[in-house]
Amino acid sequence: QSALTQPRSVSGSPGQSVTISCTGTRSDVGGYNYVSWYQQHPGKAPKLMIYDVTKRPSGVPDRFSGSKSGYTASLTISGLQTEDEADYYCCSYVGYSYVFGTGTKVTVL
Amino acid sequence: EVQLVQSGAEVKKAGESLKISCKASGYTFTSNWIGWVRQMPGKGLEWMGNIYPSDSDIRYSPSFEGQVTISADKSITTAYLQWSSLKASDTAMYYCAVRYTYGPYYFDYWGQGTLVTVSS
Repeated sequence: QSALTQPRSVSGSPGQSVTISCTGTRSDVGGYNYVSWYQQHPGKAPKLMIYDVTKRPSGVPDRFSGSKSGYTASLTISGLQTEDEADYYCCSYVGYSYVFGTGTKVTVL
Repeated sequence: EVQLVQSGAEVKKAGESLKISCKASGYTFTSNWIGWVRQMPGKGLEWMGNIYPSDSDIRYSPSFEGQVTISADKSITTAYLQWSSLKASDTAMYYCAVRYTYGPYYFDYWGQGTLVTVSS
């Protein structure tokens, strides 16, 4: 199972929106609606930010949103804040296993 | 409160064996799958495998099957990840995580990570 493809980095100024793409195949992202997104700050454990493609866990700000079209899932951060600067990973459940994305560094300018 | 507390950092030599642990509390240990995730220095997350502590059903990533062993001890609510012969390429941070709140497909509680350093 190959890693899902994400852009290496994206950036934006405070208050702007950024979108991170996550491209897979028919066997993973395209075949299941079990896509999640994790945020990881340096030296910290990952944190679940989006599950079931679009849902936010309790406590996650509503400026984080998820979507999917075909083989590509996306995470959008609206109203970017300095604390959003982190690495983000998508993840697809693939029948008893998981595949993560390559990771995207979000920089707040 | 759900908590996963991992064992401390390890420094080992290539060829040595190692077993790291993940102590769970705050939920019914036997009711939820626990997973292990590797993060090599400066790299991304890689799923290694899951265990269901109730019956020790284990699912390995093909990339890690045969390279590591995942186990659990219900009596002390602890999951383990072990190597019989470490390689320098096993140097990484290892996280355990549990699928608890949001269904059977997402890890929403994570341990703090165990850094394993293997010298050649």
